[in-house]
Amino acid sequence: DARVTQTPRHKVTEMGQEVTMRCQPILGHNTVFWYRQTMMQGLELLAYFRNRAPLDDSGMPKDRFSAEMPDATLATLKIQPSEPRDSAVYFCASGIRTGGAGTGELFFGEGSRLTVL
Amino acid sequence: GNSVTQMEGPVTLSEEAFLTINCTYTATGYPSLFWYVQYPGEGLQLLLKATKADDKGSNKGFEATYRKETTSFHLEKGSVQVSDSAVYFCALRQKTSYDKVIFGPGTSLSVIP
Repeated sequence: DARVTQTPRHKVTEMGQEVTMRCQPILGHNTVFWYRQTMMQGLELLAYFRNRAPLDDSGMPKDRFSAEMPDATLATLKIQPSEPRDSAVYFCASGIRTGGAGTGELFFGEGSRLTVL
Repeated sequence: GNSVTQMEGPVTLSEEAFLTINCTYTATGYPSLFWYVQYPGEGLQLLLKATKADDKGSNKGFEATYRKETTSFHLEKGSVQVSDSAVYFCALRQKTSYDKVIFGPGTSLSVIP
């Protein structure tokens, strides 16, 4: 059963520490999204990759967040240094973008719950 | 820019009641529209979708019709169950080269026996 895998599922860290979250998209999917979910802001788009190239990272605080896809099976989201306001659930989602219209369904991982003390 | 608006929650219903969750959108052109559902402690999963005007998406007793004239995609179910308790997200995706997915704020639904 193909699914998006995220690690870690839970992370508690101290302010100022580096945090790296990883995502393995579904094999064959060519689009990857990173979302952040909080009670106050809902789902915020942080970054969008297609064929491993970043198309949009305007939702990320550039001074501390970075997102990469070193290969087709791995996407990473890094926060350095972390702050308490970064506490949230971070979701990775993957899908298929075809040359035509495409219906664009996304498949979500179970999320990484980050707590920054 | 593109946006999705949903009715405010939380919504509390008795089992077997009729459900409507309103969703309206702003977008250029004719995007694909989706409803996703999130159960506690899980990621979002697709509930139903529609790709063009007048399409009706349906799944697990839920339905939504793509209304171009009112730019709406309201979610309905005739008889809710306790197991339908979850957060529901309306979303759109442009059919252009830049096709990021935009989500609404979500509507929390609680169904009580």
